[in-house]
Amino acid sequence: EAEVAQSPRYKITEKSQAVAFWCDPISGHATLYWYRQILGQGPELLVQFQDESVVDDSQLPKDRFSAERLKGVDSTLKIQPAELGDSAMYLCASSTSTYEQYFGPGTRLTVT
Amino acid sequence: GEDVEQSLFLSVREGDSSVINCTYTDSSSTYLYWYKQEPGAGLQLLTYIFSNMDMKQDQRLTVLLNKKDKHLSLRIADTQTGDSAIYFCAEEDSSYKLIFGSGTRLLVRP
Repeated sequence: EAEVAQSPRYKITEKSQAVAFWCDPISGHATLYWYRQILGQGPELLVQFQDESVVDDSQLPKDRFSAERLKGVDSTLKIQPAELGDSAMYLCASSTSTYEQYFGPGTRLTVT
Repeated sequence: GEDVEQSLFLSVREGDSSVINCTYTDSSSTYLYWYKQEPGAGLQLLTYIFSNMDMKQDQRLTVLLNKKDKHLSLRIADTQTGDSAIYFCAEEDSSYKLIFGSGTRLLVRP
């Protein structure tokens, strides 16, 4: 069964450092989402791509976060510089339609 | 803005039914969803219901939707220890973005 792949699974970084996460969606899925899940809360959408174009990045802190999906396939989310409050699980999801989003296992980020 | 609320915790005995409740605010939501998250894992879509339906049944899962009260529930029949997880309710807002609740932690006691 096809799955959304994410790496790394765990990342520990010091504040003010740069960090990047990678996501490979299910083949053929045009829509890709990055979510942030703070411990004890539900996921919150950071950015949504349709192919290589950003559809929604209204909740992305653009002073430090950036996301790209250059060829409309895999995607990278970057944080520079990382802050203590960025510690969270970063989840990637993909879909062919809005009502079936498939999630990857996530990257757990700890900022020290 | 849109908001989704859930109770934090539910404990049931193995074999009993579990009912997880959720309230939402966006009356224009077309779809409402239930996701399951096991420790250290991503979210798994369990089921969804279209807003013009009152009920949807899928094997051990029954979803009830009360649109007037903006109340959604998930019933799990014959709950098993493998059902222990966090369950998230989500609504789809007018721009097709999913708004999640904070999750209900279900503990199934043997």
